[in-house]
Amino acid sequence: NAGVTQTPKFRILKIGQSMTLQCTQDMNHNYMYWYRQDPGMGLKLIYYSVGAGITDKGEVPNGYNVSRSTTEDFPLRLELAAPSQTSVYFCASSYLQDLEQYFGPGTRLTVT
Amino acid sequence: EDQVTQSPEALRLQEGESSSLNCSYTVSGLRGLFWYRQDPGKGPEFLFTLYSAGEEKEKERLKATLTKKESFLHITAPKPEDSATYLCAVGSGNTGKLIFGQGTTLQVKP
Repeated sequence: NAGVTQTPKFRILKIGQSMTLQCTQDMNHNYMYWYRQDPGMGLKLIYYSVGAGITDKGEVPNGYNVSRSTTEDFPLRLELAAPSQTSVYFCASSYLQDLEQYFGPGTRLTVT
Repeated sequence: EDQVTQSPEALRLQEGESSSLNCSYTVSGLRGLFWYRQDPGKGPEFLFTLYSAGEEKEKERLKATLTKKESFLHITAPKPEDSATYLCAVGSGNTGKLIFGQGTTLQVKP
């Protein structure tokens, strides 16, 4: 099993550009999550999904959108990138909500 | 308000010098306390889950314990390869989501 994979690993965006961060898991997990991690801060939940077709906002959803058309994939869309979105983004998945989450390797995004 | 605080922020140890990392939490209806290890430039790697006060789990040189207000990650005779950032997270009964602490960065010198 590859676990949770994310692409790209690094990206530089200009202010106002848009992009999609890709996330795929091969563990047949129902739950998937997007977090951002800023230096010295804990991970903050952006969006999550409890299954295909079902998504909901986390703690910091503004400026982001998600969709979940399959169990495996959970892309994160950034519209009109802003410098405040410079961060490291992690995708995670879990079989049940109260069980451990497994994380991908992350995408380091810089908006200038 | 649900909150997780880890201390210290950074810890330097000599190889073989045992110590403990602390995770204090305030949460409505604890739904699990999770410890993760994060190496630079990588995603968090799951270590332990604890669900009830008094529970303990061990893995190699690491031992996690849980009380009603805090968790400790004990590191016995650490080696340089134990150097990493250790993250604590609690599952909130209020929101059903994980709340992460800011992490403790451990450096073990040979």
